[in-house]
Amino acid sequence: GENVEQHPSTLSVQEGDSAVIKCTYSDSASNYFPWYKQELGKRPQLIIDIRSNVGEKKDQRIAVTLNKTAKHFSLHITETQPEDSAVYFCAATTGNQFYFGTGTSLTVIP
Amino acid sequence: DAGITQSPRHKVTETGTPVTLRCHQTENHRYMYWYRQDPGHGLRLIHYSYGVKDTDKGEVSDGYSVSRSKTEDFLLTLESATSSQTSVYFCATGWGQGYEKLFFGSGTQLSVL
Repeated sequence: GENVEQHPSTLSVQEGDSAVIKCTYSDSASNYFPWYKQELGKRPQLIIDIRSNVGEKKDQRIAVTLNKTAKHFSLHITETQPEDSAVYFCAATTGNQFYFGTGTSLTVIP
Repeated sequence: DAGITQSPRHKVTETGTPVTLRCHQTENHRYMYWYRQDPGHGLRLIHYSYGVKDTDKGEVSDGYSVSRSKTEDFLLTLESATSSQTSVYFCATGWGQGYEKLFFGSGTQLSVL
């Protein structure tokens, strides 16, 4: 099956700085790559996603990039705010089985 | 919270006892999933369903069974709970173009003593 690796496991940034989280995947057939945000004690929530036929997607302060050749994709958060503090999970899928990364705990320091 | 209700929210049980977790959705979504979340492992798929009475195994299905007799309900059963099944369990439904966008329930914290 698919193997998704996520780095770093923890990340601290100053408010206003950018944060980057990276994921690699193993199955070249994976074609959909979502990112989920999970605040402490809450459910994971979809924040952005990208399909394999697209190289980059932006939504306000967040963006995702995909490099199919290298089999990696990244989440970029600009102008970070304290409310961005959470655990972020990447995932990859070829169909209905999702394979998640192990998560990145992001702390934004005011 | 609209859409998905998980019950119970918290449960403590003893090793060897059967446990059933319930997921109820009001969105009429075709796909439903059960995940477990453990530190260092992220979210791992236990079982999923693509319709009434249509289910399939995920990557960590051993020791678990599921049933879906109605579109809105997806049950997860631990036949004989073990301490390794202590976890947070999330139900999710799939929506969107290819049903790939997951909407999660609030989770069930299960402790097996």
